Amino acid sequence: GAVVSQHPSRVICKSGTSVKIECRSLDFQATTMFWYRQFPKQSLMLMATSNEGSKATYEQGVEKDKFLINHASLTLSTLTVTSAHPEDSSFYICSASRQGFSYEQYFGPGTRLTVT
Amino acid sequence: EDQVTQSPEALRLQEGESSSLNCSYTVSGLRGLFWYRQDPGKGPEFLFTLYSAGEEKEKERLKATLTKKESFLHITAPKPEDSATYLCAVLSGSSNTGKLIFGQGTTLQVKP
Repeated sequence: GAVVSQHPSRVICKSGTSVKIECRSLDFQATTMFWYRQFPKQSLMLMATSNEGSKATYEQGVEKDKFLINHASLTLSTLTVTSAHPEDSSFYICSASRQGFSYEQYFGPGTRLTVT
Repeated sequence: EDQVTQSPEALRLQEGESSSLNCSYTVSGLRGLFWYRQDPGKGPEFLFTLYSAGEEKEKERLKATLTKKESFLHITAPKPEDSATYLCAVLSGSSNTGKLIFGQGTTLQVKP
């Protein structure tokens, strides 16, 4: 149990375009979903926290108009990178917490975004 | 300020050579300490949650322990497939969002 999927696993887009990443909890309902960014050989950097039906809470320094997060249901959250630039190229990972399970986060496999 | 420090940054072991990874933390009211394993190009995989000092959990060759200031991940007789980055994270009592504070990780390489 506690499986989280992400789609796509890899995406290449051109500068100025937008790209959407989906995060789904496959076998449980997620109270909260989190979006992280990870640079090579570095730890995870939290970008935002989202609860179903509520606006996402962004970490300091993360542009909410550039990284749009929608948490439409208890099993789906999306991250849209708008007007992408090469510096947005990174590994994006989502995680989900199950209701009533003591804040354990279960991570998706990640999405490698390359902006050309 | 809540903080998590992992050591060493990198560890090389021979197959069968047991060792320990350290996770030191300062947090205002620990609500949970989490260990994850991350393989290159993949998302972290949940290993353990520890809640209180003295608690221990085991899974195959891994054993996690917790004191009031640190946690250890003991690896007994490691195999090459245990090679990965191990991440430690804490949940602070001051968090109302479930936000985890991550350490920088320890990259383990087990040579056959």
